[in-house]
Amino acid sequence: NAGVTQTPKFQVLKTGQSMTLQCAQDMNHNSMYWYRQDPGMGLRLIYYSASEGTTDKGEVPNGYNVSRLNKREFSLRLESAAPSQTSVYFCASSEVGSTNQETQYFGPGTRLLVL
Amino acid sequence: DQQVKQNSPSLSVQEGRISILNCDYTNSMFDYFLWYKKYPAEGPTFLISISSIKDKNEDGRFTVFLNKSAKHLSLHIVPSQPGDSAVYFCAARTGANNLFFGTGTRLTVIP
Repeated sequence: NAGVTQTPKFQVLKTGQSMTLQCAQDMNHNSMYWYRQDPGMGLRLIYYSASEGTTDKGEVPNGYNVSRLNKREFSLRLESAAPSQTSVYFCASSEVGSTNQETQYFGPGTRLLVL
Repeated sequence: DQQVKQNSPSLSVQEGRISILNCDYTNSMFDYFLWYKKYPAEGPTFLISISSIKDKNEDGRFTVFLNKSAKHLSLHIVPSQPGDSAVYFCAARTGANNLFFGTGTRLTVIP
């Protein structure tokens, strides 16, 4: 049981290049999320998917697109990378538990540097 | 505008003593609060949570206190251990899927 996995772990891009960050979970969770973490700031939600086939914008969606490929996988795409997108990206998944509250479980993160 | 605030970026505590990490929030609609712990180069891991209908939740060495009138919550770690050294994030939810995170407090437990 690997939990939430993310690839790649680290990536360097030039301004204007595109890339897709991959995320997969094996906990059979319905909800999945993409966050970014910047120095001096908390994690900020980019996009989330409450269930397979649905996606919604979070706090900072501009410059990103997402795809919920199936229940396990949720990818984040940067079509034209900008230096402002240099960050650490975390994927998470969650399910409502027996106490009717949900806890999000995070992957190890992808460090992205845009030059 | 930061809805969840952790005003202390760092805290140092002697091993065996109590660590108290604080968090303030502005949105009275938050109904569920969580603490996450993060080691370098790893994702945040869930530590403990509390519903807004409670004022205390305890799990082993970790206790979270919620003061809704003051819009304040705190995490107590007793006794503190060197392995507790990490960055601690407070997070809050309104009932939708969004979690709002604080900026984190780096705890150092000195052996």
